[in-house]
Amino acid sequence: QSVLTQPPSASGTPGQRVTISCSGSSSNIGINYVYWYQQFPGTAPKLLIYRNDQRPSGVPDRFSGSKSGTSASLAISGLRSEDEADYHCAAWDDSLSGVVFGGGTKLTVL
Amino acid sequence: EVQLVESGGGLVQPGGSLRLSCAASGLTFSPYWMNWVRQAPGRGLEWVANIKEDGSEKYYVDSVKGRFTISRDNAKNSLYLQMNSLRAEDTAVYYCARGGTTVTTLGMGVWGQGTTVTVSS
Repeated sequence: QSVLTQPPSASGTPGQRVTISCSGSSSNIGINYVYWYQQFPGTAPKLLIYRNDQRPSGVPDRFSGSKSGTSASLAISGLRSEDEADYHCAAWDDSLSGVVFGGGTKLTVL
Repeated sequence: EVQLVESGGGLVQPGGSLRLSCAASGLTFSPYWMNWVRQAPGRGLEWVANIKEDGSEKYYVDSVKGRFTISRDNAKNSLYLQMNSLRAEDTAVYYCARGGTTVTTLGMGVWGQGTTVTVSS
């Protein structure tokens, strides 16, 4: 059972907007930055969003992050087939003194 | 080229030991925290441990405390994970990832390709 809660799956059709939620608590998301990682099968994760809503250079602006209270969301607009991947959220947890990840969400582009 | 390269994985019997290494090239090792993150087959990511730039602070996930030790050699741009008393549930791909400049700014914008650890008799 992961400390951060994500839906195990999400789906959308090309061009659609999809959101993936990440629910935490006052000791992690509530007081620390949220990070999102994209991972394709058999490859290492890639940083997608940092500090809640910032995109690293090279990440398309179709990807956006937000945070409110103890929850965060990743939104993908103009969905494309190449967005089909696993998405993981993470944050530092002050109570656990460690990094906590969500269980990951598998995004399917129908 | 900016990269992290892990090595040291392999097949080990329960109760055995392994030492993982992560070598950095083309990127600054300092002043960043460094992390080990693992992924069991078919599972999500699990953070294992991290270490401050100067090695003065280290944190571990509860399941590995007392068994795993993280260390770094900044002169060699290298990160290590000594794993003792290995269990079947430690079987995973282990990634090293460069963190942020503080413990709460995770970063992890640079990852290695991973090294596979299999614990089985």
